[in-house]
Amino acid sequence: ETGVTQSPTHLIKTRGQQVTLRCSSQSGHNTVSWYQQALGQGPQFIFQYYREEENGRGNFPPRFSGLQFPNYSSELNVNALELDDSALYLCASSPEAGDNEQFFGPGTRLTVL
Amino acid sequence: KNQVEQSPQSLIILEGKNCTLQCNYTVSPFSNLRWYKQDTGRGPVSLTIMTFSENTKSNGRYTATLDADTKQSSLHITASQLSDSASYICVVSPYNGAGNMLTFGGGTRLMVKP
Repeated sequence: ETGVTQSPTHLIKTRGQQVTLRCSSQSGHNTVSWYQQALGQGPQFIFQYYREEENGRGNFPPRFSGLQFPNYSSELNVNALELDDSALYLCASSPEAGDNEQFFGPGTRLTVL
Repeated sequence: KNQVEQSPQSLIILEGKNCTLQCNYTVSPFSNLRWYKQDTGRGPVSLTIMTFSENTKSNGRYTATLDADTKQSSLHITASQLSDSASYICVVSPYNGAGNMLTFGGGTRLMVKP
């Protein structure tokens, strides 16, 4: 176990709805990165938060937004869900925003119907 | 565009056999290359991390090699076990010091059969 937790484990939503996914980083880590992993593919970088500020963003539309709290836990919000948003959403924490090893949580499986 | 390509996409081997997974990347310059193991529906778990100056790194039955000149890496699994069945993902970190733009390969899905 990496000490990174995510909730919920599974989630089913319908197209057009909004969803919030949560991540608690490992103790002592101030950086959280979010990834989307479609079935059978590698993870795609969504964005990273470092000390409550966004610190880099991948090629995802603005309806994907995030937040990091003072305790360094984080949320991923997705508005106007589309069928293609169905995926495993992974959160990874690291000690700093620099090039450190990232520790992944178990993921949240989102299904959009 | 930075890319990481892995081969084969999937592999089936018998328990006890060895196998080698390949990773080719175009990320340049790069800081380090990582191999992760991902069980189905779970988050990836780090196996090895190599900087550009390292040629090989081992973690138990897993041995990773790196050729920075040809931009190739391999992950060799020795004496495979049923629990090795998983996806193995190669990840390259660009040399920008930010660590926020890791490039992931699509993974190799390994199945070890008894």
